[in-house]
Amino acid sequence: QSSLTQPASVSGSPGQSITLSCTGSRSDIGDYNSVSWYQQHPGNAPRVLIYDVTNRPSGVSNRFSGSKSGNTASLTISALQAEDEGDYYCSSYTSIDTVLFGGGTKLTVL
Amino acid sequence: QVQLVQSGSVVKTPGASVKVSCKASDYTFVNNYITWVRQAPGQGLEWLGWVSPHYGHTKYAPKVQGRVSMTTVDTRTAFMELRSLRSDDTAMYYCARGSTTNWFGPWGQGTLVTVSS
Repeated sequence: QSSLTQPASVSGSPGQSITLSCTGSRSDIGDYNSVSWYQQHPGNAPRVLIYDVTNRPSGVSNRFSGSKSGNTASLTISALQAEDEGDYYCSSYTSIDTVLFGGGTKLTVL
Repeated sequence: QVQLVQSGSVVKTPGASVKVSCKASDYTFVNNYITWVRQAPGQGLEWLGWVSPHYGHTKYAPKVQGRVSMTTVDTRTAFMELRSLRSDDTAMYYCARGSTTNWFGPWGQGTLVTVSS
């Protein structure tokens, strides 16, 4: 598998909650809890939002939460804000001791 | 606050090699990994590999295996060398601190490598 599968784009209005999905296989997301999520704004480096499926690093808003079911991981953003607009990437450890990223989801705040 | 500072942008011709550096301020890598990730223009993130400064162990992505070397010279400085450059190696290259459960942060500011004749 060359990458995890993410929807190319999603949109939401301020104040709404949205969920981004990330689908892999039994060789990555399905078998490991090493799933993380990254946010990237144009021209900037990515920053980690969620690690180990559900954990938030210090300094990350509690509006961001992660979960996993089977081979699919999800990132939920509650109370959507204009500053949340950007690209979101998931990643997972794999059975061949590598890391896969998803193709990325572009979030538009309407 | 941990910061990773990378070397500046470079332009290379096809077939050449490039070596990108990544230096940590106020932090040592001794208990972590250094991961390298690249992003082609307008594209997503691609994991390239990691190096363990403490043990000297490395793991590379199959796509670049044989062309890439990741090294450290002390507990604060890491390098990524990519050889036999092709046009599709044109990308922003990032270093990041890696954890034992394979999440990455903080990230360097990125180094733009352009491969063009």
